[in-house]
Amino acid sequence: EVQLVESGGGLVQPGGSLRLSCAASGLTVSNDYLTWVRQAPGKGLEWVSVIHGGGSTFYADSVKGRFTLSRDNPKNTLNLQMNSLRPEDTAIYYCARVGYGDGFDIWGQGTMVTVSS
Amino acid sequence: QSALTQPASVSGSPGQSITISCTGTGGDVGNYNLVSWYQQHPGKAPKLMIYEVTKRPSGLSNRFSGSKSGSTASLTISGLQAEDEADYYCCSYAGGNTYVFGTGTKVTVL
Repeated sequence: EVQLVESGGGLVQPGGSLRLSCAASGLTVSNDYLTWVRQAPGKGLEWVSVIHGGGSTFYADSVKGRFTLSRDNPKNTLNLQMNSLRPEDTAIYYCARVGYGDGFDIWGQGTMVTVSS
Repeated sequence: QSALTQPASVSGSPGQSITISCTGTGGDVGNYNLVSWYQQHPGKAPKLMIYEVTKRPSGLSNRFSGSKSGSTASLTISGLQAEDEADYYCCSYAGGNTYVFGTGTKVTVL
């Protein structure tokens, strides 16, 4: 069974850092396109970042320069390093696989990030 | 990267058909046939319903269908059922290896 499991969420002060992880099973992170999508409380979905199979990374303007997406191939894990966090970064963060036709076909259960003093 | 525009809410009675619109620009929906749709029940992760404008993932009910005209994509749910009550989001490739989601639509089954 293909599965993605996020971890690393929590409470952090404005200006702080947090690293989210997405552990994959049933797929190989070094081969697939993987993405992060977030959802602020009571709000809609917002695309955050994507990593291609070749390792190229791309970001939404709202997080560019603050968030860094990387892979740990031996651990088959995707990591999202989030720096200079702002209250507006408060959200559930989901990782997902970018499947055929750019549909996000496999989703994790999400991890909550709260940025507050 | 402005969000695609969806109606805030759409409702219908069981058995009816409803259509949710998703309006973008020539830089996203209008330029790429890479529109997908997601269903999200409260407290759950989104679920892919449609990709590449019209294609359904394997095993998904054919009551769900997608289309596109110009810069507006649409999701139609036919034979509305109680379990279809959820939030629905469109998403489009927006060039430069980026994506943009719609504002979301709450579907209510009356």
